[in-house]
Amino acid sequence: AQTVTQSQPEMSVQEAETVTLSCTYDTSESNYYLFWYKQPPSRQMILVIRQEAYKQQNATENRFSVNFQKAAKSFSLKISDSQLGDTAMYFCAFSYSGGGADGLTFGKGTHLIIQP
Amino acid sequence: KAGVTQTPRYLIKTRGQQVTLSCSPISGHRSVSWYQQTPGQGLQFLFEYFSETQRNKGNFPGRFSGRQFSNSRSEMNVSTLELGDSALYLCASSWPGQQYYFGPGTRLTVT
Repeated sequence: AQTVTQSQPEMSVQEAETVTLSCTYDTSESNYYLFWYKQPPSRQMILVIRQEAYKQQNATENRFSVNFQKAAKSFSLKISDSQLGDTAMYFCAFSYSGGGADGLTFGKGTHLIIQP
Repeated sequence: KAGVTQTPRYLIKTRGQQVTLSCSPISGHRSVSWYQQTPGQGLQFLFEYFSETQRNKGNFPGRFSGRQFSNSRSEMNVSTLELGDSALYLCASSWPGQQYYFGPGTRLTVT
């Protein structure tokens, strides 16, 4: 079974700084999907970014980008120009089918705090 | 399109009772998956349904069950509730190869 590890339980940075959240995973498959989800205090899970393993190009969504290192099984999230609204729990997640039968396997999460 | 809806949003039950939670997916989505979120165990996959068939189940006891209806709405049931079942229960709807869209969750408290 696949596992997802987030080694940073909590991080704190100043507004406008750049922050990188780490995620490693373990799988024997070559095709899969990786996700970063944000969960603010409202508890609503919001997709931040999605990466398909067969794509070598790193995904980018506005201020959010990933560094996907398939051989190292690493999937880090970089948040540029951080904003107060970025304060939330961030979860790295893995899926074999990206919306199919297996559901999502989540890491334990990183609590990101953006200080004013 | 309307998002994923979950009812009820909050629920308080007593040990030994049973509970049913409901999830309505985004229109057109045929896959619904359920997750339990607790401070100690984090987010754990419960089960996934596609076209009324359970295709995968996480490592949970048989007290946790679910079903999906022909309109893709899904229910999960927990029988003989235990204190440890207190959690936020999230459902997500999806389409294969696409992203998962989450509902707001149902907060279950077992006393």
